[in-house]
Order: sequence, then structure tokens, then C-alpha cells
Amino acid sequence: EPEVTQTPSHQVTQMGQEVILRCVPISNHLYFYWYRQILGQKVEFLVSFYNNEISEKSEIFDDQFSVERPDGSNFTLKIRSTKLEDSAMYFCASMRTGYNEQFFGPGTRLTVL
Amino acid sequence: GNSVTQMEGPVTLSEEAFLTINCTYTATGYPSLFWYVQYPGEGLQLLLKATKADDKGSNKGFEATYRKETTSFHLEKGSVQVSDSAVYFCALSEGNNAGNMLTFGGGTRLMVKP
Repeated sequence: EPEVTQTPSHQVTQMGQEVILRCVPISNHLYFYWYRQILGQKVEFLVSFYNNEISEKSEIFDDQFSVERPDGSNFTLKIRSTKLEDSAMYFCASMRTGYNEQFFGPGTRLTVL
Repeated sequence: GNSVTQMEGPVTLSEEAFLTINCTYTATGYPSLFWYVQYPGEGLQLLLKATKADDKGSNKGFEATYRKETTSFHLEKGSVQVSDSAVYFCALSEGNNAGNMLTFGGGTRLMVKP
């Protein structure tokens, strides 16, 4: 069964460093999403992406964040200068056109020291 | 704005007990409602969904009914198993359009003991 994959599973970085989190959505899906979950808190929406552009973003998704679909299979989330409060589990999701069901990856745990 | 509130956990039950996890929502329109489950070390998996009032979503013995009058979508299962131990998330998506973001509740951890 096709699934969303994410790499790495755990990323440790120093404050101020740039990180790129990678996702491979399900191949025939055209809607892509990033969510995050700070430990002990709710899963929060960051951004949605369709047709090579951002379709929605939350107030969390400020200028430090960017997303890209660099090729036909990957979808990335970049944090330019990480802060301690960026430490969280980051989930990628994808959805097929015409279906109201998002499929999630296993997440990347980001730890900022 | 939209919000989802679900009962705090952990919920600890014995095998074969009846499960209810409460979920209520606030939305400006007519949302679609979802239950996601997260097993240890895995991502979120869609468990069931309902897209309009009075719809009942069901899967793997779990069910939830979309109650517009009480703005609720409580998750139930008649007889839980140890393998049901996981974190359960209630969520909504505004309207029924593809591409809409999900708003999640805080999650409820279920622990089922043999």
C-alpha cells in the first residue's frame, strides 16, 4: 500500500542553523501539507501546497519557513534559522484530488539545542 | 476560528470494555469530521470520517456520529483490544473541499490492559 515517507526520522541541530525536512508524498496525490506537534500540545497546521504554490498557511508559518517541491517526488520544509521553540514533531501529509482524506507520514522529530 | 476539544487522557481500560472518547467542535461553517489514530512510532492514520450531519463513520469496530445539534463527534467501540492502545485525535476540515487544512484536538491516549 502506498504511503507517505519522511526523512530523517530525527534531526538534531543547533539554534540558528538551517534545516530541511524531506517528505515523499504518495505518487498520485497533488495536495501536500506540513503540520507540527510540539511535545504535549496539539497537532497544528503549518502550510498547504497545490499546483506548485502555497494555498494556505498559518500564522506559525512566518518568513523563517519555506516549502518547495524540487522535483516530481519530494516535498520539503525549510527552516532558515532554527529557534529553540521550533523543536517539535513535523508531519507531512498528502491528499488526492477529489478526496477529502489526508495521508500522513511518520513524522520527523526536530530537536533544536 | 475553528477548534476541536477532546477529553484528556490517558484513558485506561481492560480488554473488552466499552470505549467512549468525547469530541466537540466549534466551526463557522459545515465541517467534515475525522478521527485519526497514532500507534506508537507511526504517523497519523485516518480511522473514520463523516461529512455531514447525522452521518455515522465506522471502521475496525469504531464508530462516531456527526451530531450537529450538540457539535459533537464522540468515538465509541463496544469491546476494545490491547491492540487498540494508541493516541486518538479528533479533527475537522471546513467544508468538503479538497485542500482544506485540518484542525486537531489535543489527542487522547488509550491504554488497554489484558
